[in-house]
Amino acid sequence: EVELVESGGGLVKPGGSLRLSCVASGFTFSSYSMNWVRQAPGKGLEWVSSISGDSIYIYYGDSVKGRFTISRDNAKNSLYLQMNSLRAEDTAMYYCARHYDDKFTYNIWGQGTMVTVSS
Amino acid sequence: EIVLTQSPGTLSLSPGERATLSCRASQSVSNNYLSWNQQKPGQAPRLLIYAASTRAAGIPDRFSGSGSGTDFTLTISRLEPEDFAVYYCQQYVSSPPAWTFGQGTKVEIK
Repeated sequence: EVELVESGGGLVKPGGSLRLSCVASGFTFSSYSMNWVRQAPGKGLEWVSSISGDSIYIYYGDSVKGRFTISRDNAKNSLYLQMNSLRAEDTAMYYCARHYDDKFTYNIWGQGTMVTVSS
Repeated sequence: EIVLTQSPGTLSLSPGERATLSCRASQSVSNNYLSWNQQKPGQAPRLLIYAASTRAAGIPDRFSGSGSGTDFTLTISRLEPEDFAVYYCQQYVSSPPAWTFGQGTKVEIK
């Protein structure tokens, strides 16, 4: 079964750091680009970052550029999001999502991990 | 930056009725880059439609997508109880690569 499981969320103070993880199973992880998408409480979806299967191509949304770093370890079937200089507006559910082949969208989503930034 | 605007914000309908959801882009979008997702409370999004009109695997044929250019539509021909959810359109921009979502349309039971 194809599955993505996120972890690492929690409560952190403004200015703090957190590292999210997403473990993949059921498919050849290195063959797929992966993404982080977030959703603030009661709000819509916002794309955060994307990384190609070989880690050569990395992209960020404007709201997190310079503060967040996406990475992956294909040997561990794992995707990461290092989040620094966290702000209250970063409070959200963070989902990892797998690219759908060459379809320019995502067809596999994890269940998410909640990040709360508050003093 | 291309902005996706969905309407209406909320659609109140009864089971068995037809739902028509709109997604309008501020600039022309390639059909290949437009998709629709469904999200139920407490769940992750689920892909329904990609390339504007192609149903994803396992999606019932009561869901259909159409449109081109700046105007796209998701139609649910006959609402089933499990279809009451929030629907998001999504687009891909190639230069630089990025994805954006509409603000969502909530389909609620009337």
